Amino acid sequence: DVKVTQSSRYLVKRTGEKVFLECVQDMDHENMFWYRQDPGLGLRLIYFSYDVKMKEKGDIPEGYSVSREKKERFSLILESASTNQTSMYLCASSSNLVNEQFFGPGTRLTVL
Amino acid sequence: AQSVTQPDIHITVSEGASLELRCNYSYGATPYLFWYVQSPGQGLQLLLKYFSGDTLVQGIKGFEAEFKRSQSSFNLRKPSVHWSDAAEYFCAAIDSSASKIIFGSGTRLSIRP
Repeated sequence: DVKVTQSSRYLVKRTGEKVFLECVQDMDHENMFWYRQDPGLGLRLIYFSYDVKMKEKGDIPEGYSVSREKKERFSLILESASTNQTSMYLCASSSNLVNEQFFGPGTRLTVL
Repeated sequence: AQSVTQPDIHITVSEGASLELRCNYSYGATPYLFWYVQSPGQGLQLLLKYFSGDTLVQGIKGFEAEFKRSQSSFNLRKPSVHWSDAAEYFCAAIDSSASKIIFGSGTRLSIRP
């Protein structure tokens, strides 16, 4: 059974903290994505990666960075968390940029 | 600019009734089109996709969608909904040369017993 896993389902952090969200896929997919999901806004792409050590900005990269050192792992980093980064974060992977994306269960991050 | 619009934020239907969720897209050429479902507390799962060919697409869980080029629409349908269909539904599109998919804002489906 194909799987995308995220390191935490729920996370509470304080303003100014550095936050790491981890995502691992076991499908040998080239492409990995990070989205944030907010009510009424759908999914908005933060960053994606089409290969190891390669990354591209999405629609809302400000305040975020990413790391992809291994093919199966894609990390989202909040350098200095702020309250407006409280959201649901979804990771996804795909074999091809136009093909189906497989999603993890999401991490609900609260920044106090 | 490319966009995907889901006009209905929230829909409630009775169990056993038919369902249609609307999706409109704005792209220069026909994009690839998708419907995803998100059950409470879970990630998104693909229901169906349209790349080309037959404009009526069958998906999982008894869903189907019809592509209508003249209306720039890709509406999702189900003849008889079940309580387990209560979820949020997202339409999405990507064109063949773009590097990112665009999601609609979602439609939340509630089922009335």
